[in-house]
Amino acid sequence: SQKIEQNSEALNIQEGKTATLTCNYTNYSPAYLQWYRQDPGRGPVFLLLIRENEKEKRKERLKVTFDTTLKQSLFHITASQPADSATYLCALNRLQGAQKLVFGQGTRLTINP
Amino acid sequence: NAGVTQTPKFRVLKTGQSMTLLCAQDMNHEYMYWYRQDPGMGLRLIHYSVGEGTTAKGEVPDGYNVSRLKKQNFLLGLESAAPSQTSVYFCASSYGSGRYEQYFGPGTRLTVT
Repeated sequence: SQKIEQNSEALNIQEGKTATLTCNYTNYSPAYLQWYRQDPGRGPVFLLLIRENEKEKRKERLKVTFDTTLKQSLFHITASQPADSATYLCALNRLQGAQKLVFGQGTRLTINP
Repeated sequence: NAGVTQTPKFRVLKTGQSMTLLCAQDMNHEYMYWYRQDPGMGLRLIHYSVGEGTTAKGEVPDGYNVSRLKKQNFLLGLESAAPSQTSVYFCASSYGSGRYEQYFGPGTRLTVT
């Protein structure tokens, strides 16, 4: 069956270090992979989208990699800050029906001062 | 711009009651979506719409109906609420036409007793 797994339910990182979150998928052939941030009591907010033919995407302190051979995406936050504490969701678009997203269950990231 | 708004923010229903959740967006987006979010399950797509007057089923459509009579509004109906429909409901919208990031509303917390 099709599955998206975000490897850690919760991750604690010291301020200033790089936080790395993992998203693995099976039985999908995604055309795009997206990362969202969700704060408690709020809706998800779009961060980055990476296409299947892109290896890496950056935005300020954020970096996403996409390895279609390993069926894995890594999401990095460099120079992490307590304000980066949130739940991070990965989501896949398939080429057909590309308007529909399938979400992982999320990783709750806490940055400790 | 208000972005995506949802009403109500909270609601408690008794089993068998009906209600309608309203989603509105002011970004002129073509596509709109309804998700539910449950602990440990991630976001799951209930129904979606790719344009005014069109709707389609998502991953978990049973017990819900939707309508999109105006481009800016997407309504989610529960005809006969069940305790299994206790959840947080999120509406989202996207441009369509090759842009796949989604914009989410703040959510509606629904409890069915």
